[in-house]
Amino acid sequence: DIVMTQSPDSLAVSLGERATINCKSSQSVLHSSNNKNYLAWYQQKPGQPPNLLIYWAFTRESGVPDRFSASGSGTDFTLTISSLQAEDVAVYFCQQHYNSPHTFGQGTKLEIK
Amino acid sequence: EVQLVESGGGLVQPGGSLRLSCAASGFSFSNHWMTWVRQAPGKGMEWVADINQDGSGIYYVDSVKGRFTMSRDNAKKSLYLQMNSLRAEDTALYYCAKRRNGALDSWGQGTPVTVSS
Repeated sequence: DIVMTQSPDSLAVSLGERATINCKSSQSVLHSSNNKNYLAWYQQKPGQPPNLLIYWAFTRESGVPDRFSASGSGTDFTLTISSLQAEDVAVYFCQQHYNSPHTFGQGTKLEIK
Repeated sequence: EVQLVESGGGLVQPGGSLRLSCAASGFSFSNHWMTWVRQAPGKGMEWVADINQDGSGIYYVDSVKGRFTMSRDNAKKSLYLQMNSLRAEDTALYYCAKRRNGALDSWGQGTPVTVSS
């Protein structure tokens, strides 16, 4: 199974500042046939199901604010919130869908400093 | 608007069975892979199973193989998860989700499953 490891486990950032979350996979999730990274990012607010933010490692889902961006390839990925807003307080997960089981990272809890 | 509504969760004794359902609306159900994901209390996400558009391809996480069976009825726009030989470690909130571009772009609110004597 591909192990997804996020860092840090928790993060406190001041409003308006940048937040960066990392995700590392135990093997590459870059598919050679289409040059796509099979990596998604989700946001989960308390009491709600997860919400898709990013797919194919850096493509923003429709309706997601442009302060959310993502980068990376192969085994190392990053989610960045350029200017933290109060409504961004949540747990963020990465997930690979390159191989079954489609494993998730353990989550990163983002709070306001 | 895409809607996914899970049902069928509840309290069950170890070794018991439950059948979860997920009613889909607002999209062309038969054109999409579907997924079950669970979240144990206070824990992260665990992918449970996937099914392709016509139900001919189904994939499970090792911990549920041989105990859980995922299926779908495209005519009824419904997804199912038959869970047998339930264990305490299966206790979780179970979500159904729709796949698009490989990722899970729509989720239900979840149905809780508690396995306890």
